[in-house]
Amino acid sequence: DAGVIQSPRHEVTEMGQEVTLRCKPISGHDYLFWYRQTMMRGLELLIYFNNNVPIDDSGMPEDRFSAKMPNASFSTLKIQPSEPRDSAVYFCASSTSGTGQTQYFGPGTRLLVL
Amino acid sequence: EDQVTQSPEALRLQEGESSSLNCSYTVSGLRGLFWYRQDPGKGPEFLFTLYSAGEEKEKERLKATLTKKESFLHITAPKPEDSATYLCAVDGNNRLAFGKGNQVVVIP
Repeated sequence: DAGVIQSPRHEVTEMGQEVTLRCKPISGHDYLFWYRQTMMRGLELLIYFNNNVPIDDSGMPEDRFSAKMPNASFSTLKIQPSEPRDSAVYFCASSTSGTGQTQYFGPGTRLLVL
Repeated sequence: EDQVTQSPEALRLQEGESSSLNCSYTVSGLRGLFWYRQDPGKGPEFLFTLYSAGEEKEKERLKATLTKKESFLHITAPKPEDSATYLCAVDGNNRLAFGKGNQVVVIP
């Protein structure tokens, strides 16, 4: 199995621009998670889906962030408009049976907003 | 709110010098405690899951233990390839809460 796939791996953009991050979970996994990692706050859960349905989006920092999962093999995290404080590494993870089971992480997208 | 505190933040070890990493947690009802390893520029990689106090798990030079308030990750006779950041996370409310990690450097 290829594991969780994320794209792009690196993104540099200017403040105010729209940013779209993409994730392909491991085939057969029903849960998909989006995390953000910074030095100050560590790894934080933003949102997670079960069977393509958003279950908990309480970690989404503000309305500028949105996430979708149109099918079992694809999810996007969008930031519009982006701000310098959004600079971080964004990880996608997937699992077979929810938060109590092992989550498999992708390689991450390193985002820099200038 | 679930909280996880890891100590020490950073640790330098000589090759072969055994040590332990601490993960203290506060959670209303523990559904599982997880240890992950993260290498620079990569995503976290799963190591262990512990579910109840007294449980222990081992993998090569690593051994994880769990009490009602904390978990330890023991590194026995570490090698340079054990250099990484070790992340602890708890599942107490249908979501994982991560600590900030223990950064370990093993010097040859």
